Amino acid sequence: DTGVSQNPRHKITKRGQNVTFRCDPISEHNRLYWYRQTLGQGPEFLTYFQNEAQLEKSRLLSDRFSAERPKGSFSTLEIQRTEQGDSAMYLCASSLGFSTEETQYFGPGTRLLVL
Amino acid sequence: SQKIEQNSEALNIQEGKTATLTCNYTNYSPAYLQWYRQDPGRGPVFLLLIRENEKEKRKERLKVTFDTTLKQSLFHITASQPADSATYLCALDERAAGNKLTFGGGTRVLVKP
Repeated sequence: DTGVSQNPRHKITKRGQNVTFRCDPISEHNRLYWYRQTLGQGPEFLTYFQNEAQLEKSRLLSDRFSAERPKGSFSTLEIQRTEQGDSAMYLCASSLGFSTEETQYFGPGTRLLVL
Repeated sequence: SQKIEQNSEALNIQEGKTATLTCNYTNYSPAYLQWYRQDPGRGPVFLLLIRENEKEKRKERLKVTFDTTLKQSLFHITASQPADSATYLCALDERAAGNKLTFGGGTRVLVKP
């Protein structure tokens, strides 16, 4: 257990529905990242926060995706109008955010299946 | 185009032997290279970080080398054990803002007793 928690661990939804995932990072960590991982592939960067500010978004993050970190603590990732191609593991990671050489601590992920 | 390549074929190895995994990259200038372990259904777990000016790093039975001329990192597990069976991911950090990581596809290692 890295100290990063994600909920729910699994989500099955029908195409067109909205889903929201939550990530609770390690409490003193200022940076929070979201990645997406499909079967047999490595994680792909989606977005990251420094405290409550969302500082970068990947081109993978379409308009249907939105992420927030309202108080600089937990974060939510919402997918609107889900598509079958959104089926993946969504991983959250956090790091201290004070230096340029830091490791990231990953949560267990939320596995999404869109039917 | 940018690529990070790890051997997609699983590596089957006998207990006690050394497993060697390769990570090759093109069109990146990483400041750091990291190796993670991932078990099925779980998030990646950090193992080792090596800087661009370091040739080799060790941690217990793990050894990583980093050759920026060849654009390659090798990851060794010595005296392998069945508990080492997992997928191993290499990740590049180009020291971009936020230190986002770019991962390879991972190599699955199976250590047989």
